[in-house]
Amino acid sequence: DAGVIQSPRHEVTEMGQEVTLRCKPISGHDYLFWYRQTMMRGLELLIYFNNNVPIDDSGMPEDRFSAKMPNASFSTLKIQPSEPRDSAVYFCASSYGVTGGYEQFFGPGTRLTVL
Amino acid sequence: EDQVTQSPEALRLQEGESSSLNCSYTVSGLRGLFWYRQDPGKGPEFLFTLYSAGEEKEKERLKATLTKKESFLHITAPKPEDSATYLCAVQLRGGSEKLVFGKGTKLTVNP
Repeated sequence: DAGVIQSPRHEVTEMGQEVTLRCKPISGHDYLFWYRQTMMRGLELLIYFNNNVPIDDSGMPEDRFSAKMPNASFSTLKIQPSEPRDSAVYFCASSYGVTGGYEQFFGPGTRLTVL
Repeated sequence: EDQVTQSPEALRLQEGESSSLNCSYTVSGLRGLFWYRQDPGKGPEFLFTLYSAGEEKEKERLKATLTKKESFLHITAPKPEDSATYLCAVQLRGGSEKLVFGKGTKLTVNP
């Protein structure tokens, strides 16, 4: 398997623009997670899905952030409008958690810079 | 509030110099504790999961242990390729798959 795939790997945009990050989880995994990593706050969970349904979005910073999972092989994280404080590395991860406790496999991340 | 604290923030070792990284946690109920390794520019890579106090797991030069309040990642005779940031995360009881991460320990092993 190719692992978790994220695109783009780097994104530079200007404040106020819409940003869409994409993720393809590992085939057969039923959980998908979106994280954000910064030097100040470390790695933080934004939202996670189980069988394409959002389960916990308590980490989504505000209404400017939204996430969707239209099918088992694709998810998006959208920021509209973007702000400089959104600059971070965004990771997608997936896991097979039938009974819980299974390890999460992370993608390579998208480095977002908002000018 | 559930918290995970890792120490030290950074650690420099000479090749062959063994040491330990610490992960202390304050949570309402622990379901599992995870260790990940993260190389620069890459996503975290899974190392171990520990579920109960007294449990130990080993992989090459790494050994992870767990008590009721903390976990240690012991590195025996490290090599330069062990240089990375090591992240600890806890999963809470209650059925959630959420992981709460510490900020990591950046390990540098000099040849």
